Amino acid sequence: DIQMTQSPSSLSASVGDRVTITCRASQSISSHLNWYQQKPGKAPKLLIYAASSLQSGVPSRFSGSGSGTDFTLTISSLQPEDFATYYCQQSYRTSYTFGQGTKLEIK
Amino acid sequence: EVQLVESGGGLAQPGGSLRLSCAASGFTFSNHAMHWVRQAPGKGLEYVSAISSNGGSTSYASSVEGRFTISRDNSKNTLYLQMGSLRAEDMAVYYCARGLHYYGSGSLSPHYFDSWGQGTLVTVSS
Repeated sequence: DIQMTQSPSSLSASVGDRVTITCRASQSISSHLNWYQQKPGKAPKLLIYAASSLQSGVPSRFSGSGSGTDFTLTISSLQPEDFATYYCQQSYRTSYTFGQGTKLEIK
Repeated sequence: EVQLVESGGGLAQPGGSLRLSCAASGFTFSNHAMHWVRQAPGKGLEYVSAISSNGGSTSYASSVEGRFTISRDNSKNTLYLQMGSLRAEDMAVYYCARGLHYYGSGSLSPHYFDSWGQGTLVTVSS
């Protein structure tokens, strides 16, 4: 199976900060990488698909980049509603592995 | 508006069975692949299973293969997950999700999951 490793596992930041979360795949997955946001007690929400395509309705402060094995999710200016847990997911193989998550907390 | 509503969760004994359902509305169900994803209490997301739009292709995580069966009834706009030989580690919130292919093909990958249900909790305990 393809392993997905996110870093950091947790992150403290302030409103207005620029934040970057990294996701690394254990083998090349081309651009087959999705990002989700999850708030406590809620279902995940799609942010980015195909590494850099912004899902409809998602604010433009979210962006994704990368290909091969290394990917990043960037939030350009944190808003209060962005404090949540973020997951990457590979869609290269039907095992659809998720990263372990990055919990973004208020500093 | 796309809606996915899971049901069927509850308490099951180790070694027992449970069938989850996911009722879909607001879109043409028969045109879309569907997926199950689970989340153990306090843990991350774990992929479980996928089924193609016509039910002809399926895939499973190695952790559930041989014990779980995914199926769908397009006439009822409903997705199912038959869970058997349940273990303590199967305890989780189970989400159904709609899969959209990056390139519009009918294959099971690559997809992104654009709509999710609210989840149904499965508890495995004696």
